Amino acid sequence: NAGVTQTPKFQVLKTGQSMTLQCAQDMNHNSMYWYRQDPGMGLRLIYYSASEGTTDKGEVPNGYNVSRLNKREFSLRLESAAPSQTSVYFCASGTLAGVSYEQYFGPGTRLTVT
Amino acid sequence: RKEVEQDPGPFNVPEGATVAFNCTYSNSASQSFFWYRQDCRKEPKLLMSVYSSGNEDGRFTAQLNRASQYISLLIRDSKLSDSATYLCVGANYGGSQGNLIFGKGTKLSVKP
Repeated sequence: NAGVTQTPKFQVLKTGQSMTLQCAQDMNHNSMYWYRQDPGMGLRLIYYSASEGTTDKGEVPNGYNVSRLNKREFSLRLESAAPSQTSVYFCASGTLAGVSYEQYFGPGTRLTVT
Repeated sequence: RKEVEQDPGPFNVPEGATVAFNCTYSNSASQSFFWYRQDCRKEPKLLMSVYSSGNEDGRFTAQLNRASQYISLLIRDSKLSDSATYLCVGANYGGSQGNLIFGKGTKLSVKP
């Protein structure tokens, strides 16, 4: 199993450009997540999808859109990139198992917006 | 106020030392807690879960004190490979999505 995969690993954009970050998981998890991680800020939830066909806003959704394409894939789109969106983006997936809830992360995408 | 708070460190300890991290949480409705480990420029990975009175896994012991709303992680006989950032995480279960609230992390550096 590959677990959670993300593409691309690195990206440099100019202000105003758009791009889509791709994420896929092969663990048959219902829920998927997009986070951003900035120095001194920790991990912050952008959007999540509790199940195929549903998406909801997290803590910092402005400037982003998401698509849960199917159970495996959850993409994050920046329509008009801004320097404030320079960050490391992590996709994660997870599922409830009794009282346990664990998330598994992809390797991340390092995005720089100039 | 951030729901999960940790001392950012860094904690610099010699090999073989015992080190303890604490974490406090503000949401008494949080149902489960976890410690994740994150190596430099890598993704977070689950280290261990913390339930009710805590649990132990080899050199690692996690404790939960619901009355005082804090979680601790104890690492015994530190190894160089333990150097990483340790993230304290609380889980609030709403529906089925199980959102996690991450602390900012505590950095540990184990020196020879």
